[in-house]
Amino acid sequence: QQQVKQSPQSLIVQKGGISIINCAYENTAFDYFPWYQQFPGKGPALLIAIRPDVSEKKEGRFTISFNKSAKQFSLHIMDSQPGDSATYFCAASNRGSSNTGKLIFGQGTTLQVKP
Amino acid sequence: KAGVTQTPRYLIKTRGQQVTLSCSPISGHRSVSWYQQTPGQGLQFLFEYFSETQRNKGNFPGRFSGRQFSNSRSEMNVSTLELGDSALYLCASSLDLAGDTQYFGPGTRLTVL
Repeated sequence: QQQVKQSPQSLIVQKGGISIINCAYENTAFDYFPWYQQFPGKGPALLIAIRPDVSEKKEGRFTISFNKSAKQFSLHIMDSQPGDSATYFCAASNRGSSNTGKLIFGQGTTLQVKP
Repeated sequence: KAGVTQTPRYLIKTRGQQVTLSCSPISGHRSVSWYQQTPGQGLQFLFEYFSETQRNKGNFPGRFSGRQFSNSRSEMNVSTLELGDSALYLCASSLDLAGDTQYFGPGTRLTVL
């Protein structure tokens, strides 16, 4: 119930293409869904986040699509660039009822954008 | 504003030893969380502190402990180290407990030989 399942494990995309990473969850109490980007030797950095009352959120080239009924959310990276090559983690948190910032992370997706 | 700082950045210990890792949150942040990152298990929640009190704990053995000081700085301790404790230990800070973005530090890479 506490798991977040992420796919694919790795992804290779050509420069200019669209990268899509998917996540699924079971716990309907989750109310906050962030995506983190991690470069080698660095800690994860927040990329974009969404709450379940919104179906889509866009920030620059990054878009989260959220499907509450299917309990799925995805990250779309438009016009992917070599600098986007990193590991991406989806996460979920139950903040409203449990008063905690505890994040449950997906297993991560290693993205390689080829020039 | 300075980010989350963690010390040391790298650490090598042998089995059976104990280790203490330190985290200084972003100035003004009162909540600190710790996560363990390994290739096999990914990112797993260890503990969460707010106002010097542990508010939440993950599924780790009692060998893992932590504390938070009045200036919000936090330490975590692992006693009787095992080979499987080799990991990147990440600290994250946020303004408050449940409503804010968590900002991660660069981590401490612990290797247990």
